[in-house]
Amino acid sequence: SQQGEEDPQALSIQEGENATMNCSYKTSINNLQWYRQNSGRGLVHLILIRSNEREKHSGRLRVTLDTSKKSSSLLITASRAADTASYFCATESGSRLTFGEGTQLTVNP
Amino acid sequence: GAGVSQSPSNKVTEKGKDVELRCDPISGHTALYWYRQSLGQGLEFLIYFQGNSAPDKSGLPSDRFSAERTGGSVSTLTIQRTQQEDSAVYLCASSLEGGMGTEAFFGQGTRLTVV
Repeated sequence: SQQGEEDPQALSIQEGENATMNCSYKTSINNLQWYRQNSGRGLVHLILIRSNEREKHSGRLRVTLDTSKKSSSLLITASRAADTASYFCATESGSRLTFGEGTQLTVNP
Repeated sequence: GAGVSQSPSNKVTEKGKDVELRCDPISGHTALYWYRQSLGQGLEFLIYFQGNSAPDKSGLPSDRFSAERTGGSVSTLTIQRTQQEDSAVYLCASSLEGGMGTEAFFGQGTRLTVV
């Protein structure tokens, strides 16, 4: 079974709007990472937040982590059509990197 | 190399045949992961190698699946007596050191189709 679960499974928004995706996990973690996948092939790393951090920013990305609730959120501000992709959270517990089911984001021009 | 390289990029095989999938990780990366992804689904963990430690094989779905990593570099994932449910994209990733919060770099995957 997957460690992380994202919601929503699918999200469709208009260009310029913000997109928020959530991730919940089950066990204690060292860190949590977000990845993006285009067209069902290789994933690209977006951002990493460590277990002792609560919020992190990178460009239009904002990630929060609440270890008490075992959850994280990824906010993409001022979305663009090029942001259309699948987004996955991944938790690192011990040495294994485990991925959730992903959120399919569609940004309409 | 510049990135993680996987070969072949596509493989069509007949049910019952064996297949070998190859992964060349980024030079110097000690951690190597194999995942499987069915259409529209998440990544299913298969196996993890870290340096010279015994691999974490707990994700391998059956004894038809095996993987090796020779010399701490190239890895091959072997599927014996392939079944139609083995059809998926097989993704390989490497990172500088597993468990230390370093990002994983993915290859473009091998799309396996069993007919």
